Amino acid sequence: QKEVEQDPGPLSVPEGAIVSLNCTYSNSAFQYFMWYRQYSRKGPELLMYTYSSGNKEDGRFTAQVDKSSKYISLFIRDSQPSDSATYLCAMSAENTGFQKLVFGTGTRLLVSP
Amino acid sequence: DVKVTQSSRYLVKRTGEKVFLECVQDMDHENMFWYRQDPGLGLRLIYFSYDVKMKEKGDIPEGYSVSREKKERFSLILESASTNQTSMYLCASSPFQARETQYFGPGTRLLVL
Repeated sequence: QKEVEQDPGPLSVPEGAIVSLNCTYSNSAFQYFMWYRQYSRKGPELLMYTYSSGNKEDGRFTAQVDKSSKYISLFIRDSQPSDSATYLCAMSAENTGFQKLVFGTGTRLLVSP
Repeated sequence: DVKVTQSSRYLVKRTGEKVFLECVQDMDHENMFWYRQDPGLGLRLIYFSYDVKMKEKGDIPEGYSVSREKKERFSLILESASTNQTSMYLCASSPFQARETQYFGPGTRLLVL
């Protein structure tokens, strides 16, 4: 079993829809949770990061962490065609100095006009 | 903005060749990382460095070595390229005070024939 599981998709939605992207994990030591966006043939771009449980909002994006369920989510409101990309979740734990990230394999999102 | 650059976007090499991939960051970050990204496997850590001349093995170091002679530059070396090293190689950096927030370069697509 992988430490971090993520549905590969593709997830297809119409423009303006609310998108929910999710990851589950098995290591309860994870404390930092990141979301990256990766456009085709480009490097990942850090979107958001949160520490421990709770919500964090940045514009149209909301990151949510539920440590009791070992489940994290990224919500995108009013989705745009430019949001079409692969979204990677990543996590780190104190016992690796927080610098060793464990990534999900990514969910491909397609937003149609 | 953090800028991480990689020396080549695309490379084609022959089996047995020695391959050098260069990465430079301009934000004075202490930590630098090399990953490879393969479909269905996600990002896997090859090596990382937390200081000049310091290096740590990641999850898949076999067949690779690294060099960090200057703080801003981190090189990945394939001593004798093999076809199973065909992949997308991504460099990242992070500051000491926020080690979990890694910033990625655009990637190098390496094809080994």
